[in-house]
Amino acid sequence: GENVEQHPSTLSVQEGDSAVIKCTYSDSASNYFPWYKQELGKRPQLIIDIRSNVGEKKDQRIAVTLNKTAKHFSLHITETQPEDSAVYFCAASANTGTASKLTFGTGTRLQVTL
Amino acid sequence: SAVISQKPSRDICQRGTSLTIQCQVDSQVTMMFWYRQQPGQSLTLIATANQGSEATYESGFVIDKFPISRPNLTFSTLTVSNMSPEDSSIYLCSVAEYTDTQYFGPGTRLTVL
Repeated sequence: GENVEQHPSTLSVQEGDSAVIKCTYSDSASNYFPWYKQELGKRPQLIIDIRSNVGEKKDQRIAVTLNKTAKHFSLHITETQPEDSAVYFCAASANTGTASKLTFGTGTRLQVTL
Repeated sequence: SAVISQKPSRDICQRGTSLTIQCQVDSQVTMMFWYRQQPGQSLTLIATANQGSEATYESGFVIDKFPISRPNLTFSTLTVSNMSPEDSSIYLCSVAEYTDTQYFGPGTRLTVL
């Protein structure tokens, strides 16, 4: 089955700096890659996703890049703010019709300091 | 996106007992899933809840321990049976409407003593 690795496990940046989180996946059939943000005691919230027919996607301060050949994808957060502090999870799935099982990475705890 | 609710939001249970968690969506959805998130860990898929048929379980999870029902397109239940302290986790349902994008419910925090 799919295996998703995520790095780093913790990341501390100063407010205004950029943060980058990287994930690699093993199943070449995976074609959908979402990113979730989970604040303490809250549900995971989808912040951005990318499909395998696109190499990059951007939404304001957040961007995701995908390299299908190398089987890795990354989350980029620019101009970080204290409210960006949370745990971020990457995930991958191979949509084979109606089924879309997500395999999650181990998470990155991002701390944005003042 | 759909509004998802779960009941209970949290519970403390004695070992050997069972707890049923409910997941309700305010609109019909194609897919419903159940995940477990152990303390400080990532999310692990337990099973896909299939409407009108038996759930599809992932490796390491069995129906006798985690029976699941999905009687219609807006509702599902997960039962955690014969609980032990190792079952202490957050249990989350998620839904996918017409694409593979999944949205999560608020979770049920279970503590087993």
